[in-house]
Amino acid sequence: AQSVTQLDSQVPVFEEAPVELRCNYSSSVSVYLFWYVQYPNQGLQLLLKYLSGSTLVESINGFEAEFNKSQTSFHLRKPSVHISDTAEYFCAVSEYSWGKLQFGAGTQVVVTP
Amino acid sequence: GAGVSQTPSNKVTEKGKYVELRCDPISGHTALYWYRQSLGQGPEFLIYFQGTGAADDSGLPNDRFFAVRPEGSVSTLKIQRTERGDSAVYLCASSFEGSGNSPLHFGNGTRLTVT
Repeated sequence: AQSVTQLDSQVPVFEEAPVELRCNYSSSVSVYLFWYVQYPNQGLQLLLKYLSGSTLVESINGFEAEFNKSQTSFHLRKPSVHISDTAEYFCAVSEYSWGKLQFGAGTQVVVTP
Repeated sequence: GAGVSQTPSNKVTEKGKYVELRCDPISGHTALYWYRQSLGQGPEFLIYFQGTGAADDSGLPNDRFFAVRPEGSVSTLKIQRTERGDSAVYLCASSFEGSGNSPLHFGNGTRLTVT
């Protein structure tokens, strides 16, 4: 069985400041890792994923996450946030590369001017 | 193009009643998933269809929950004898082929409230 812990339920951050969202997981098998984002009044969208290869993965809008196997973490970072990054972010893990995901409880990011 | 469509967007029902929630996936997507999201929690996997068949239904909480996808496109999640604990947002997602290279596309969900 797997579990996912998102250590912060809410992260307030000022515009153009950096942000880090923490995600730790536990699993007895190798896993695939995902970050999903839910903007206000929209459905969940895939932000980035780690399936294999380079442990540092990036999204098209400036987010990056690093898979750390020894620390069982997959923290999400962005060096400079925009107002439009206000959303809820979910970390997810799966022992399959397809869609049976175990989600964390989510981190609400609120970006203010 | 059209995304994943879920109807109704909101459903209020009385305890003990039967409800059906509908999901229209993106055209051509063979894989379809149902998740449930309770307040303050992340989505919880319920069931996965590959084509018409349920490839994994291990997340269905009990036998009051059932889902079908008879023609490999639209899916219906059916809940019998609803209980207040069934109140949640029910999410549907589809993907092109159910592999890691095919991201899940989620609908906006159906908010079910059992009174």
